[in-house]
Amino acid sequence: DVKVTQSSRYLVKRTGEKVFLECVQDMDHENMFWYRQDPGLGLRLIYFSYDVKMKEKGDIPEGYSVSREKKERFSLILESASTNQTSMYLCASSYGAMNTEAFFGQGTRLTVV
Amino acid sequence: AQKITQTQPGMFVQEKEAVTLDCTYDTSDPSYGLFWYKQPSSGEMIFLIYQGSYDQQNATEGRYSLNFQKARKSANLVISASQLGDSAMYFCAMREGPSRNTPLVFGKGTRLSVIA
Repeated sequence: DVKVTQSSRYLVKRTGEKVFLECVQDMDHENMFWYRQDPGLGLRLIYFSYDVKMKEKGDIPEGYSVSREKKERFSLILESASTNQTSMYLCASSYGAMNTEAFFGQGTRLTVV
Repeated sequence: AQKITQTQPGMFVQEKEAVTLDCTYDTSDPSYGLFWYKQPSSGEMIFLIYQGSYDQQNATEGRYSLNFQKARKSANLVISASQLGDSAMYFCAMREGPSRNTPLVFGKGTRLSVIA
């Protein structure tokens, strides 16, 4: 069975903390994605990676960075968490071909207080 | 500019009726793929159906079909014989180009409520 696993389902962090969200896939997918989901705004792409050590900015990269040192793992980093980063974060992975669907993790609900 | 537009924030449909969820897209690339996902209240994202820009026929998967009108740049999802379990958020998404360097971009979604 295909699996994308996010390290935490719920997370509460303080303003100014450095936060790591981890995502691991077991399907040997080339592409990995980080989205944030907010009511009324849909899924907005933060960053994506198409290969190890390769990354591309999405629509809302400000305040975030990413790391992909191994093919199966894609980390999202909030350098200094702020309350406006309270959101649901979704990780996804896919093969590189245009016609292949993305598989999603269960999501991490992050609250910054 | 928005690449994917879903103009219906919410929709209601009677059980056993058909419903169409709208999606329009914006791209200048002749090669692209369109996807629909379902997100029930549990939060998981479930892939429903795919349509490629060069596909001659509209995609179908069980009760789901995609009404693909290339000239109008629309890719509407049609759900036939609605069931209570179809109540969920539905997202349209697009990936452009044959290159592996292109992301999957989503619309804002439509919340569908099926009424008994």
